[in-house]
Formats: sequence, C-alpha cells, structure tokens
Amino acid sequence: GAVVSQHPSRVICKSGTSVKIECRSLDFQATTMFWYRQFPKQSLMLMATSNEGSKATYEQGVEKDKFLINHASLTLSTLTVTSAHPEDSSFYICSAKEDYEQYFGPGTRLTVT
Amino acid sequence: KQEVTQIPAALSVPEGENLVLNCSFTDSAIYNLQWFRQDPGKGLTSLLLIQSSQREQTSGRLNASLDKSSGRSTLYIAASQPGDSATYLCAVKAGATNKLIFGTGTLLAVQP
Repeated sequence: GAVVSQHPSRVICKSGTSVKIECRSLDFQATTMFWYRQFPKQSLMLMATSNEGSKATYEQGVEKDKFLINHASLTLSTLTVTSAHPEDSSFYICSAKEDYEQYFGPGTRLTVT
Repeated sequence: KQEVTQIPAALSVPEGENLVLNCSFTDSAIYNLQWFRQDPGKGLTSLLLIQSSQREQTSGRLNASLDKSSGRSTLYIAASQPGDSATYLCAVKAGATNKLIFGTGTLLAVQP
C-alpha cells in the first residue's frame, strides 16, 4: 500500500518557539493532504485540509495563524506550530489522499515545555 | 453535523474469542466507511474500507459490515489473538467532501 512518512517522530520544544512537522507521500503524489490532532485517549480531530498549490482549508476553531500549513509539492506538506505553548502538546498525524483512500503517517509527538 | 460513536469504549476478551466492535453514525449520506487500527503512540493502519454501495468487506479474520439506512457498521474479529490488542477506530467520509470523521474508538485488549 501507499506509504506516508512524518518527520520528526518526536519533538520537544520550549514555549514560544516554532516547530515544523513534515508529511511526505513516498510512493505516490497527493494533491490533498490532511492534518489531524489527537489528544491522549481521544479520537482524531481534523485540523485542516492541505491542497497543493493553494491555501489550506482550516476547520472551525483552528487558528490558521497558529498552525501554518504549506503544501508546496505533490509529495510534501508541512505544519508549523508557531509560538508553541504547553497546550499545543499533542500527537499530530497527517494523511495523504490517493484516489478514494487516505493513507496515514506514523504521527509526531509534540511536547512543549 | 455528522457524529460517529463507537461502543464499547473498551473491551477485554480472552484469546480465541470472537468479538464485535460497533460504530454508529448520525448522517447516512456517507461516501464510504473505513476501519483503522492504532497501536499506542503510533499512526493509523487501514484495515477495511467499505464503499457506500457495499454491505461488507472481509480481510483474513476481519469482517466489516455496513448498514447505511440504520447508520451502523460492525467490525467482527474472529479467533482473537493478543496481537490484535490495539485501539480500533471507524471513520466515515461525507459524500460531498474529502473529510474523514472519526469515531471515539474502542480500546481492545486480548488476554493470553
């Protein structure tokens, strides 16, 4: 099946700094990628839909200036958490769409101290 | 607004048992429904995808059914093994969008 990677898998940063997470589709091209957030013992919450070559579409309640998304190529989308705070600590998962199915990355654990 | 619920939230069974996980959704206008497995601290592994026109899908010991009219899906796991222990998530795709709406998950523990 199609493979999606994320980097880094785990990151610890200090409050006030920015963190970039990469999501790559390794063996297919994805015009659409998705970013999810998962709190402990909870389900996945869609944050935004990333479209190659255009602006991302954010879900209600998600701050676009806080979570910057760039989808510059057909195989790469990035999520930048700007001025991170402890409440941004979470598990971030991306997925890439191929045909009618989504393939998920392994996730990135962000801890803000 | 589509809401997806999974029951039970947690389940513990002895090895070898057959079990059923339930998923219900409020809006029957779905494009497809997908079952995923998530191991602790990991991403999602797709198990089965059922298109809206289908009634069930099978893969090995797994069988997923879909009843759109009643807004329900079940995941049947036959002869459970300790390696099946994980969180199982169902997700529906709304007809007009690419969005996947996830259920609340069932944490399964299979005891050896």
